[in-house]
Amino acid sequence: DVKVTQSSRYLVKRTGEKVFLECVQDMDHENMFWYRQDPGLGLRLIYFSYDVKMKEKGDIPEGYSVSREKKERFSLILESASTNQTSMYLCASTWGGLGETQYFGPGTRLLVL
Amino acid sequence: SQQGEEDPQALSIQEGENATMNCSYKTSINNLQWYRQNSGRGLVHLILIRSNEREKHSGRLRVTLDTSKKSSSLLITASRAADTASYFCATDGGGAQKLVFGQGTRLTINP
Repeated sequence: DVKVTQSSRYLVKRTGEKVFLECVQDMDHENMFWYRQDPGLGLRLIYFSYDVKMKEKGDIPEGYSVSREKKERFSLILESASTNQTSMYLCASTWGGLGETQYFGPGTRLLVL
Repeated sequence: SQQGEEDPQALSIQEGENATMNCSYKTSINNLQWYRQNSGRGLVHLILIRSNEREKHSGRLRVTLDTSKKSSSLLITASRAADTASYFCATDGGGAQKLVFGQGTRLTINP
């Protein structure tokens, strides 16, 4: 079975802090994604990566950056956390085309105070 | 931009009944997928149906796709309390090369 893990289930940070969310998948998938999920807004794509060191902006990249130094690991970085970044963050990975079945991690619920 | 829109937003039924959720989308697609999310957890893939397929089954799940109407439905038969979750459709938007998710249907199965 594909396993996607995220570094934290719950995280509390202060405004202005630099925040790292890490995601690791164990199935050698080329593509990895970061979403945020908010009530009434559904899942929104922040960034995705289709190969090591390659990244593409999603629909809401402002305030975020990403890093993919190794194939299995995709990190989401909040350079200076703000309260409007309080959300549920979901990582996913997939093999083949970017529109194929995605395998999700358990999510990180981030609270920025 | 939202590609998939689920209907209804919330559904509450008795255990043992069938649950039907609908999804409508706007642009052409290569495939449409359904996912389940238990409260506070990640999404779990349920089923993928390609644009040249009309119906697909997986256990108690039945998915139909009508590309002429740009709509899909998910039927869960003989519902169980464990089916309580949110259900999302996702489309690849044809050449969009990414999945776009709807806002989901929250299904509650009452014992």
